[in-house]
Amino acid sequence: QSVLTQPPSVSGTPGQRVTISCSGSSSNLAHNYVYWYQHLPGTAPKLLISANDQRPSGVPDRFSGSKSGTSASLVISGLRSEDEADYYCATWDDSLSGFYLFGTGTKVTVL
Amino acid sequence: QVRLLQSGTEVKRPGASVKVSCKASGYTFSSYGISWMRQAPGHGLEWVGWNSNYNGKTTSAQKFQGRVTLTLDTSTSTAYMELRRLTSDDTAVYYCARVIGDRIYFYGVDAWGQGTTVTVSS
Repeated sequence: QSVLTQPPSVSGTPGQRVTISCSGSSSNLAHNYVYWYQHLPGTAPKLLISANDQRPSGVPDRFSGSKSGTSASLVISGLRSEDEADYYCATWDDSLSGFYLFGTGTKVTVL
Repeated sequence: QVRLLQSGTEVKRPGASVKVSCKASGYTFSSYGISWMRQAPGHGLEWVGWNSNYNGKTTSAQKFQGRVTLTLDTSTSTAYMELRRLTSDDTAVYYCARVIGDRIYFYGVDAWGQGTTVTVSS
């Protein structure tokens, strides 16, 4: 069963740098783009990073993404209180007949 | 700007069906596919499936195959998701989103609808 594994939670103080990891496998991250989404409770998720490391217009440059092999990372540099949310990595998985796979999700807490 | 407006809250009995709509505006509807996701209480995001704008093909997650129908109505710029034989496990917020892709390839999604709460309860 394909899984994208993220840490359940990360935390930091305002201004700190935090990193969220996303671990996949040869059927997903190895050959497909990773996307990152930010989800605040009660609102629609928001695209944060597309195609591994591209920031859509309007996304602050303190958010950055990278991918290497079967792992990906999202870095928030200069953590702010409004960054407190759930974060999900996601990618296409080529197993079975193909499907879009979301990571397990990471809750970011600003202390 | 790109906007996806979903239909309202639904309450259904087990065994019933639900049909959620997603009306798009602010872009050329026929140039993008639409994907559907859900989030059950206390759980993360889960992909339901998508419609390709290129060939109209529907691809859905294995657990929903045979139970979900996804359609695109280009005349009204509206996408629909119908889920049948509902159980309490289908209680969730359902989201539609615009697909980032290349013809038949799904890379990700960008704009999301506001979500539709579907509650299944006897």
